[in-house]
Amino acid sequence: QVQLVQSGAEVKKPGASVKVSCKASGYTFYTYGISWVRQAPGQGLEWLGRISPYNGKTNYAQRFQDRVTMTTDTSTSTAYMELRSLRSDDTAVYYCTREGNLGYWGQGTQVTVSS
Amino acid sequence: DIVMTQTALSSPVTLGQPASISCRSSQSLVFSDGDTYLTWLHQRPGQPPRLLIYKTSNRFSGVPDRFSGSGAGTEFTLKISRVEAEDVGFYYCMQAAEFPYTFGQGTKLEIK
Repeated sequence: QVQLVQSGAEVKKPGASVKVSCKASGYTFYTYGISWVRQAPGQGLEWLGRISPYNGKTNYAQRFQDRVTMTTDTSTSTAYMELRSLRSDDTAVYYCTREGNLGYWGQGTQVTVSS
Repeated sequence: DIVMTQTALSSPVTLGQPASISCRSSQSLVFSDGDTYLTWLHQRPGQPPRLLIYKTSNRFSGVPDRFSGSGAGTEFTLKISRVEAEDVGFYYCMQAAEFPYTFGQGTKLEIK
């Protein structure tokens, strides 16, 4: 069965970077893109961007364009999302989700930014 | 960016009664392949979102048939024929017709 398993919770100081991983199993990794979505406390869902494991092509939401990098490692079927220059309003749960209708989601990774 | 606007449910819903949530997009969600990329997600507190409906009206695997999606162009509806206790939570529409993907603000379903 398809599974996306994310890395554990992170606590970072303002200005630092965080890198969240998303390990996929149960399907051929390079055949579906991976999107990243976040949810701040008590708020709705926000799309950060996506990556194609097939060719590494990325599409980022403009507001994150300067601070986010998405990568994949096809040898381990793992996608990564790095967010730099963290601010307190980056505190959120970050999800990876498989494209092809977003039918499969990781469990979420809590990222807390606090001094 | 495409703006997605959802309606709020007017009041808590009685178990066994129907519920309907509307979603409007600021522009057409018809993609170049002819499909309309409107998705409905359900999220319970503390859980990841769960896919209910994709491409406007296709139920995802395992989704009960009391959930149905309809619409075209810029107007879409999610209907629950008979609300059950497990249906509580937030419902989000999302467009995947163009980048950036965008979500509605969410609609909370409460049981009376």
